[in-house]
Amino acid sequence: AQSVTQLDSHVSVSEGTPVLLRCNYSSSYSPSLFWYVQHPNKGLQLLLKYTSAATLVKGINGFEAEFKKSETSFHLTKPSAHMSDAAEYFCVVNNAGNMLTFGGGTRLMVKP
Amino acid sequence: GAVVSQHPSRVICKSGTSVKIECRSLDFQATTMFWYRQFPKKSLMLMATSNEGSKATYEQGVEKDKFLINHASLTLSTLTVTSAHPEDSSFYICSARALGTEAFFGQGTRLTVV
Repeated sequence: AQSVTQLDSHVSVSEGTPVLLRCNYSSSYSPSLFWYVQHPNKGLQLLLKYTSAATLVKGINGFEAEFKKSETSFHLTKPSAHMSDAAEYFCVVNNAGNMLTFGGGTRLMVKP
Repeated sequence: GAVVSQHPSRVICKSGTSVKIECRSLDFQATTMFWYRQFPKKSLMLMATSNEGSKATYEQGVEKDKFLINHASLTLSTLTVTSAHPEDSSFYICSARALGTEAFFGQGTRLTVV
C-alpha cells in the first residue's frame, strides 16, 4: 500500500521569502514522486518528478524537491516566492502500476 | 509535455439530466485514462481507471451505473454523469498515460447541477 501525507494544509509566506511545502510518503516499492500545482478552477500542472535518477530534482518556475529515502520525504522548495505561486500544491506517489495516490494538498498563500 | 484536452471546462445542467465530459490525448496514445473528482478544499479522489477497449475499473464507493465511462479509442475517454443531482456538482479531472510514461492531466470540468 502507498500513502502520501502533506504535513501542512495551508502555508503562508511573504513575497520574496523561501517556500517549503512538506511531503512524506509510504510505499512498498521504489516509488516515482511528483509535485503538481493547481491554480483556481484550473487543471493540474506538473512541477517536477522524481524517478530514481538524481535525488535533487529541479522543476519549472524555480521549484525543486529533494528525495530523501531515509526520511521518506519529498519536500518542495523555492528560494523566493512570487505572487503568482499562490495555488494548491499536491504531492503524488506512483508505484509500479497505474495507481496515483494524492496527498491532501497544501494551499500556498503569498503575501505582498 | 504531452497534451490532454478535457471538454467542456464548465457545464451547468438541470437536475435529472445527463452530462458527458470528454477527455482526449492530443499527441499520444493513451493506453490508460483515469477519472478523478475533487471536492471543495479536498484532494482528488480517483473514481475509475479505464484501459482502451475494456471496461473501466471503479473505485470502492463509486456508482458505476451513475458514472458511465467509455474508453473507445486510444485518444478518447468519456465520463457520463447520468441523472445528475446537485450533490454531483464537483470538479472532475481526467488524466491519461501511455504505457510506461507519467500521467498527464486535463484542465478539468466544473459541473454544476441546478
